[in-house]
Amino acid sequence: RKEVEQDPGPFNVPEGATVAFNCTYSNSASQSFFWYRQDCRKEPKLLMSVYSSGNEDGRFTAQLNRASQYISLLIRDSKLSDSATYLCVGDSNYQLIWGAGTKLIIKP
Amino acid sequence: EAQVTQNPRYLITVTGKKLTVTCSQNMNHEYMSWYRQDPGLGLRQIYYSMNVEVTDKGDVPEGYKVSRKEKRNFPLILESPSPNQTSLYFCASSQWTSGYEQYFGPGTRLTVT
Repeated sequence: RKEVEQDPGPFNVPEGATVAFNCTYSNSASQSFFWYRQDCRKEPKLLMSVYSSGNEDGRFTAQLNRASQYISLLIRDSKLSDSATYLCVGDSNYQLIWGAGTKLIIKP
Repeated sequence: EAQVTQNPRYLITVTGKKLTVTCSQNMNHEYMSWYRQDPGLGLRQIYYSMNVEVTDKGDVPEGYKVSRKEKRNFPLILESPSPNQTSLYFCASSQWTSGYEQYFGPGTRLTVT
């Protein structure tokens, strides 16, 4: 079983809609979690960190549920420019364990 | 400009011909790592380094070597490349350990025939 699992998608979503991704992790000792965005054939870039209390940055909200061992990302009022692959990642003993990514396609 | 650079960006080589992919960061970061990315498998860590002269294996270290003689540089060495090492490689650095934002290089697309 993979340590960090994501639905690969693709999620095809109309512009303006709200979309949510979940990511489950198996290592309960993981302390830090992040969401990264990766455009096609480009390097991943940090989207946001994920805290137990949840955090929000504009149209993006990230939540961590330790009891159920998952993190979530909510994108409101989606834009065409949100089309990308979203990677969740957790740390484990100084290593980062990455999910395979969820592909999001925003359609006009 | 704060950045991580990798060279070459694209490389086609033949089985068994030793190659080195360079990685350099100008942010004075302690932690550096190498990943490979394959379709459906996501990013898998090859090696990481928490400081100069300190390196550790990641999830898929077989067939790779690294060195960290200087803080800014972290080259990836393939002594005898094989076709199953055809992949997209990323170097990354961060201020401290894995709990900090990772800054990635632009990637190196390697094809081994």
